[in-house]
Amino acid sequence: NAGVTQTPKFQVLKTGQSMTLQCAQDMNHEYMSWYRQDPGMGLRLIHYSVGAGITDQGEVPNGYNVSRSTTEDFPLRLLSAAPSQTSVYFCASSNSGSGYEQYFGPGTRLTVT
Amino acid sequence: ILNVEQSPQSLHVQEGDSTNFTCSFPSSNFYALHWYRWETAKSPEALFVMTLNGDEKKKGRISATLNTKEGYSYLYIKGSQPEDSATYLCAFKGDTSYGKLTFGQGTILTVHP
Repeated sequence: NAGVTQTPKFQVLKTGQSMTLQCAQDMNHEYMSWYRQDPGMGLRLIHYSVGAGITDQGEVPNGYNVSRSTTEDFPLRLLSAAPSQTSVYFCASSNSGSGYEQYFGPGTRLTVT
Repeated sequence: ILNVEQSPQSLHVQEGDSTNFTCSFPSSNFYALHWYRWETAKSPEALFVMTLNGDEKKKGRISATLNTKEGYSYLYIKGSQPEDSATYLCAFKGDTSYGKLTFGQGTILTVHP
C-alpha cells in the first residue's frame, strides 16, 4: 500500500493563479481531510469529506474548493491564490474502525508570491 | 469552534530527563482523543487513540492518560532521548462530528544531548 500520496511536493504560484493539489489514498478510507500548517497555529482543517460525493467545510475554508468523486481521491483547488495561502498543506484519511486515526500524506509546500 | 489547548508551547530538556505535557479539550460530546508525533520535515504519525475515561496507553518510553470527565490528557516521556525531539499534537474527536478532528497547537520538545 502506498498509503496517502500528495502531489506536488513543492509549488510556487503568483497571486491570482489557480491550481489543484492532488491527494489519493489506497486504504479504502471513508474520511478524508485537508489541513494547513502555519507556524504557531498547529493544523487547521480546511475541508473534509465523509464519503464519495459528500464534503463539508472546516475551520478555514475560504479560498479553497474540494470535491470527492471517488473514495480514493480528494483534490483541493485554490481558486485565486493569495500570499495568505502560503503554507504547508497536508491531506489525511481515516476510518471509523480505528477511532478516526489520521493517516497523513507527505505534505505540499506552497508559496504564493 | 472547539477549544483544544496544549501546554507548554515548547519544552527544552536534557537527555535522560522525564517530561510530560498536557492537552485540554471539551468534556462534553467526547468520542476520542488522539496523540501524534510530528518530526521536522515529516508528516504527523499517530501515537495513541484513546476513547475511554481512565484509558492509559503505552508505547516504549511514551505513555498517555485520559480523563474525559474533566477534559484533559497527559503525555509522558520517560528518559528522554534526542530522537524524541519533535512536535507532539493532540486532537479531539467529538461524537457528533463524523471524521472531523480538532487539533491543538502542539508542544515542541527539544531534547539536548
